[in-house]
Amino acid sequence: SAVISQKPSRDICQRGTSLTIQCQVDSQVTMMFWYRQQPGQSLTLIATANQGSEATYESGFVIDKFPISRPNLTFSTLTVSNMSPEDSSIYLCSTHPGLDTQYFGPGTRLTVL
Amino acid sequence: GNSVTQMEGPVTLSEEAFLTINCTYTATGYPSLFWYVQYPGEGLQLLLKATKADDKGSNKGFEATYRKETTSFHLEKGSVQVSDSAVYFCALIWPVDTGRRALTFGSGTRLQVQP
Repeated sequence: SAVISQKPSRDICQRGTSLTIQCQVDSQVTMMFWYRQQPGQSLTLIATANQGSEATYESGFVIDKFPISRPNLTFSTLTVSNMSPEDSSIYLCSTHPGLDTQYFGPGTRLTVL
Repeated sequence: GNSVTQMEGPVTLSEEAFLTINCTYTATGYPSLFWYVQYPGEGLQLLLKATKADDKGSNKGFEATYRKETTSFHLEKGSVQVSDSAVYFCALIWPVDTGRRALTFGSGTRLQVQP
């Protein structure tokens, strides 16, 4: 299994600012994933982050808006840039230390005013 | 493309009623299938999983069987409790050899259990 922590757990931000979310895993993992869960919605994959390479973004998500860092095998950050109220969501990081089961962090609840 | 379709909610049941939440999928190859649960105000938790056809995943009284012939993974519980009130997500992951290891989620089904 994997224990994943995220910081901050929640934040309220002003329009036009940026927020960096940190994700820490208690073991070394190859792939880390960032998801967004908009209010009342399901989870949507933002990007896949592998250590030592550029993140791979899903359709509708771009690096300028959601830059991701992956400096080592246990840590990643997601920045939400130039925020607008539409970015208000829960942002979750996840990983799968084994072949199948994917574990999730507790999420970062972001509100943009 | 690959997708997961869940029955729409909310599903409202009385305590001790039988629960079924339907989930069907379309995918290339033979994905692994999951049910995740999100309790109010909490994070996403793995409820159960099945990695090949005819496998049955089970946990906390919940069960789901991987049916390749109907491409389904319906969630069932014989007797629900108020504490089962949550949002349930069906999800799949592509086969290992695709190199794409992120989950695809269904839209989620909210379950409300009344005393």
